[in-house]
Parts: sequence; C-alpha cells; structure tokens
Amino acid sequence: DAEITQSPRHKITETGRQVTLACHQTWNHNNMFWYRQDLGHGLRLIHYSYGVHDTNKGEVSDGYSVSRSNTEDLPLTLESAASSQTSVYFCASSSSGGAETQYFGPGTRLLVL
Amino acid sequence: AQTVTQSQPEMSVQEAETVTLSCTYDTSESDYYLFWYKQPPSRQMILVIRQEAYKQQNATENRFSVNFQKAAKSFSLKISDSQLGDAAMYFCAYRAVSGAGSYQLTFGKGTKLSVIP
Repeated sequence: DAEITQSPRHKITETGRQVTLACHQTWNHNNMFWYRQDLGHGLRLIHYSYGVHDTNKGEVSDGYSVSRSNTEDLPLTLESAASSQTSVYFCASSSSGGAETQYFGPGTRLLVL
Repeated sequence: AQTVTQSQPEMSVQEAETVTLSCTYDTSESDYYLFWYKQPPSRQMILVIRQEAYKQQNATENRFSVNFQKAAKSFSLKISDSQLGDAAMYFCAYRAVSGAGSYQLTFGKGTKLSVIP
C-alpha cells in the first residue's frame, strides 16, 4: 500500500545545530507540504513543493529550508535550530487537480534544548 | 489571506449522543474546498469529510455530516451516535481551488472533543 513516512519520529537536538527531517511518500504525488503544530496554533504551513525542483515558502518559513530532487522525498532542514522550533512537524502530500485530499505522515516530535 | 476560526477549544459529548463542532472561515473566493480532519492521541491526521463549495448538498460520511452555509461562511461538523473512538482533536481546514496557493490547507486551531462513557 502507498504511504507517507517521516523519520525520525522523535529528535532531541541542541540550539545552533543543523537538523534534517525526512519525508518520503510512495503515492507518486506531485505536491508535498511541511507543517508545524503548536499548542494553540493548529497546523501552520512551513514550505511546500508542487513538483521536482519546485519549492515555495509558507506562512512560517523563517529558519527552515527544503529541496525537492525527486518526486518521493521532501526533506526539511533547520539551518540552526532554535528553541522556538520545538514542535511537532507533519509532512503531507497530495496529487494535483480537483478536491484531492492531503495525506499526512505520522509526525516528528522535535525538541530543541 | 484566508482564515479559519474554530471558536470552541474544547467540547464534550455523552456516548451515543450528537455533537456539533463549529467552524467559520473568511475568503473572497467563490469556489473552494473545506475539510474536517481528526487527530486522535496517536497524532495521525485523518480526513473525516470534505465539501466542495460549489455543491449545495451537505456532505455525509456515515455518522459524520456537515452543515455548510456558504453565505454565512460556516462549516460545522455533526457527529451522530458518538463513540469513544471519536475522542480527538478536530481541525477544520480550507483550500482554494485556483491560484498559487490552491493546494495549501489553512487550518483552524482545533477543537478537542471528549466522549463521556
């Protein structure tokens, strides 16, 4: 069955370190998204991609970057982790066209000390 | 920019009873999609139901139905015959049909639903 996976599921890091969160989907979806979830804020869009080599900034993109070298993967990089980036991160994907549903990964809980 | 508001941070319902979760949104678009997602304690985001704005008929999925009031920009979720497994955070989300951000979801802040045995 097609799926979307994230790794690691839990991560503890220190302030200033570079961190990369992986997202892999086997749906062959063109669209991929990264969200962060914080108490009292719901899910907020960090970056998104509509295809290979396409990346776009979302609502809360400062301090994050993504690159899309193939259809299946959209890694999220925190260039220099900050305590404010402690959060739960969700990756999602969808196909193009119509009311296509976004399918979400299981989430990565990141703690920045 | 589109905004989605869920005015009930927490709600509770007796098992087997009916509960309605509220959602309002703000948009200048005439066509769009609306969604309800469920997030149980496992944190997995699960699509519950979706509605296309051009359809007047309210969407229904088994015990879940919506009351879509386009003019009022309201999109409430009704859960009938509530079950213990319905306990979760529920998020309302909006998606535009066209334009640069047409595949992005804008979420409300969520409503935590508790089901009382």
